[in-house]
Amino acid sequence: DTEVTQTPKHLVMGMTNKKSLKCEQHMGHRAMYWYKQKAKKPPELMFVYSYEKLSINESVPSRFSPECPNSSLLNLHLHALQPEDSALYLCASSQASGGTFYEQYFGPGTRLTVT
Amino acid sequence: RKEVEQDPGPFNVPEGATVAFNCTYSNSASQSFFWYRQDCRKEPKLLMSVYSSGNEDGRFTAQLNRASQYISLLIRDSKLSDSATYLCVVKGYSSASKIIFGSGTRLSIRP
Repeated sequence: DTEVTQTPKHLVMGMTNKKSLKCEQHMGHRAMYWYKQKAKKPPELMFVYSYEKLSINESVPSRFSPECPNSSLLNLHLHALQPEDSALYLCASSQASGGTFYEQYFGPGTRLTVT
Repeated sequence: RKEVEQDPGPFNVPEGATVAFNCTYSNSASQSFFWYRQDCRKEPKLLMSVYSSGNEDGRFTAQLNRASQYISLLIRDSKLSDSATYLCVVKGYSSASKIIFGSGTRLSIRP
């Protein structure tokens, strides 16, 4: 089973709202990722968790707050977003091992609109 | 120079044709290479990893040329369903090295 699930599929939120995006995988992967993708652009890496610890934060503004409650779950908490944060937010997972980078499997994404 | 570059296309080819595109990378220490396809408004889906010796999966062949620092993807006997954007992904060995997506090559197969 190579499935990564994400909820919700779509989200519309105001600039003062607080919301969370959720991601789940049951492939036993120990690395999980958040990406942001704008239309006609490639995904941009935001955060990487390895063995439930934040290992990479690509200078993402603090209005995005990731959380990894356990090895299967990854959340992205959103607060005080700006309209330019509207995008497709993709979660991915992969095996994790020292220096080797394995293929990532992506969830279907959450399409976020900030009004 | 961008770290990873792809010809954006679009490549518009007839069904049954063979098409190839490249992805060049600037960091000679890059170690991991992948091809993904992405359909409009969908997530990227892994097409294949790219190994040093090259690899083939059905109609798809991937090659790595370390000397010239590029990877390639060849699609034979193209189908209408191959129409998509093809993204290359490159990463260095260390855990701190970046995961870099190319900007994608758009492929359109016509009947």
